Amino acid sequence: AQSVSQHNHHVILSEAASLELGCNYSYGGTVNLFWYVQYPGQHLQLLLKYFSGDPLVKGIKGFEAEFIKSKFSFNLRKPSVQWSDTAEYFCAVIKKRTDKLIFGTGTRLQVFP
Amino acid sequence: DVKVTQSSRYLVKRTGEKVFLECVQDMDHENMFWYRQDPGLGLRLIYFSYDVKMKEKGDIPEGYSVSREKKERFSLILESASTNQTSMYLCASTPGGETYNEQFFGPGTRLTVL
Repeated sequence: AQSVSQHNHHVILSEAASLELGCNYSYGGTVNLFWYVQYPGQHLQLLLKYFSGDPLVKGIKGFEAEFIKSKFSFNLRKPSVQWSDTAEYFCAVIKKRTDKLIFGTGTRLQVFP
Repeated sequence: DVKVTQSSRYLVKRTGEKVFLECVQDMDHENMFWYRQDPGLGLRLIYFSYDVKMKEKGDIPEGYSVSREKKERFSLILESASTNQTSMYLCASTPGGETYNEQFFGPGTRLTVL
């Protein structure tokens, strides 16, 4: 079955620590990749996306993600987290020529001052 | 500014009741989606619609139906609510066309079925 795996379910960091959240998917072929973020009490919103081109993509608020095709991975990174990054993060994948966005189970990030 | 609205933020219903969740988007998007969000399970697609009066089952359609009579409005219906349908329900929309782009989400409706 098609799936998206986020191995880190709950991550706790201190401010200024570096962050890497893993995301792996199981589809072959061409995919579009996304990271969404849900801040407490707010809508899900797009953090960044990869469609084609440079596999290192930059998003809002200093986040970036690297698409490694050979590893079927799209890990999210931030060099120095802030308390305001406390949120739930979802990786999502859509296979070209389908319209179904498949989400991972999410990673809850808590950042302490 | 892009906007997806949902009729209620919080809803409490009793087992067996018929429940309507409404979603409206003001972006003239062709595609609309209903998800449920549960801790540890992420978002799971219930139904989606490509166009008015068209609908497609998602991954977990059992116990739900949908209605899309107008382009901007997509309704999720729980014909006979059950306690296992207690969840956060998210609506989303996206423009049509082959190139898939980001989905725009509403604020969610937290439904509790007693």
